[in-house]
Amino acid sequence: DIQMTQSPSSLSASVGDRVTITCRASQSISYFLNWYRQKPGNAPKLLIYAASSLQSGVPSRFSGSGSGTDFTLTISSLQPEDFATYYCQQSYDTPRVNFGQGTRLELK
Amino acid sequence: QVQLQQSGPGLVKPSQTLSLTCFISGDTVSSNNAAWYWIRQSPSRGLEWLGRTYYASKWYNDYAASVKSRITINADTSKNHFSLQLSSVAPEDTAVYYCARKEAMGRGMSAFDFWGQGTMVSVSS
Repeated sequence: DIQMTQSPSSLSASVGDRVTITCRASQSISYFLNWYRQKPGNAPKLLIYAASSLQSGVPSRFSGSGSGTDFTLTISSLQPEDFATYYCQQSYDTPRVNFGQGTRLELK
Repeated sequence: QVQLQQSGPGLVKPSQTLSLTCFISGDTVSSNNAAWYWIRQSPSRGLEWLGRTYYASKWYNDYAASVKSRITINADTSKNHFSLQLSSVAPEDTAVYYCARKEAMGRGMSAFDFWGQGTMVSVSS
């Protein structure tokens, strides 16, 4: 199985800050990488697919980059609703669509 | 707009069978562009895919190795839903269970673009 490792596990920031979350795959997955945001009590919500494509309706402050084994999610200016947990997920080895362990973004 | 609505009990006794159903609106379970997954989430295991069903001239199922001997996923085209059955449950199967649509996004890419609301299932006597 392809293992997905996110860093950091948690992060403190303020409204308006720029933050970056990293995801590393245990082997090359080309650009088969998706990002989700999950608020407490809710299902994950798709933000970015194919490493850098913005899902319809998602604000442009979210962006993704990377290919191969190393990927990043950047939020250019944090909004109050962005304090949540973020997950990466590989779709290279479908149906074994493993997720990262999550990055919890907290208000400083 | 696609919506997935889950139903099923929130409490199951050890050794019994967990059964959940995911009703689909705004799409069809036999769509050529989608696969229908069950995923669970727990503090110990994180987000864990359990299995999927999809239609490509015939029905296909794939199951995670961790539950392969205990899981069944079925689709019902007449009711436009798909279901999960997990047998011989134990306390470690306690989790929030989600159904989700994995949609083809083009260029071979796919992602979970719609999710059910989640069902907290506790395994306890």
